[in-house]
Amino acid sequence: DVKVTQSSRYLVKRTGEKVFLECVQDMDHENMFWYRQDPGLGLRLIYFSYDVKMKEKGDIPEGYSVSREKKERFSLILESASTNQTSMYLCASSSPLDGRNQPQHFGDGTRLSIL
Amino acid sequence: DAKTTQPPSMDCAEGRAANLPCNHSTISGNEYVYWYRQIHSQGPQYIIHGLKNNETNEMASLIITEDRKSSTLILPHATLRDTAVYYCIVGLTGTASKLTFGTGTRLQVTL
Repeated sequence: DVKVTQSSRYLVKRTGEKVFLECVQDMDHENMFWYRQDPGLGLRLIYFSYDVKMKEKGDIPEGYSVSREKKERFSLILESASTNQTSMYLCASSSPLDGRNQPQHFGDGTRLSIL
Repeated sequence: DAKTTQPPSMDCAEGRAANLPCNHSTISGNEYVYWYRQIHSQGPQYIIHGLKNNETNEMASLIITEDRKSSTLILPHATLRDTAVYYCIVGLTGTASKLTFGTGTRLQVTL
């Protein structure tokens, strides 16, 4: 089974702090994604990466950055946390194997509260 | 990505089949249909996906109409642990394409 592990299930930080969310996958997937999920808004893509050191902006990249130094690890960084970044953050990974559009597999999420 | 329409909620008795419908009338020829579910406080769990043929795995069956404008996810023997929000999504993944989750169907399995 694919395993996507997010470092924390719950996290509480203060406004202005720099926050790091870590995600590790064990299936040698090329693609990794960061989403946030808010009530009534569904999942929204923040950033994604299709290879080591590569990154692409998603729909809502403002206030966030990412780092992919190793294939298995994708980090989301909140440069200066604000209260409107309180949310559930979800990491996912996928691999374009055999052209059959393999699905994305998700971690269990990090519920981040910014006070 | 094509838009999907799902009923907001459904009930199902434990042990019975749960049939969850999804309309995706604007799907394009190379887009797949994916189903995920999300149990409270967990990340979305992949269930099944298909292009045009019906698919079955250990969790569920996916029936796609011939014109590909709608599909049905079937949980053959629903249990209380199947209570979740079920999302039907169409699109391309495998490439680094995003998934667009709608509001889904909240399935409540009851005794």
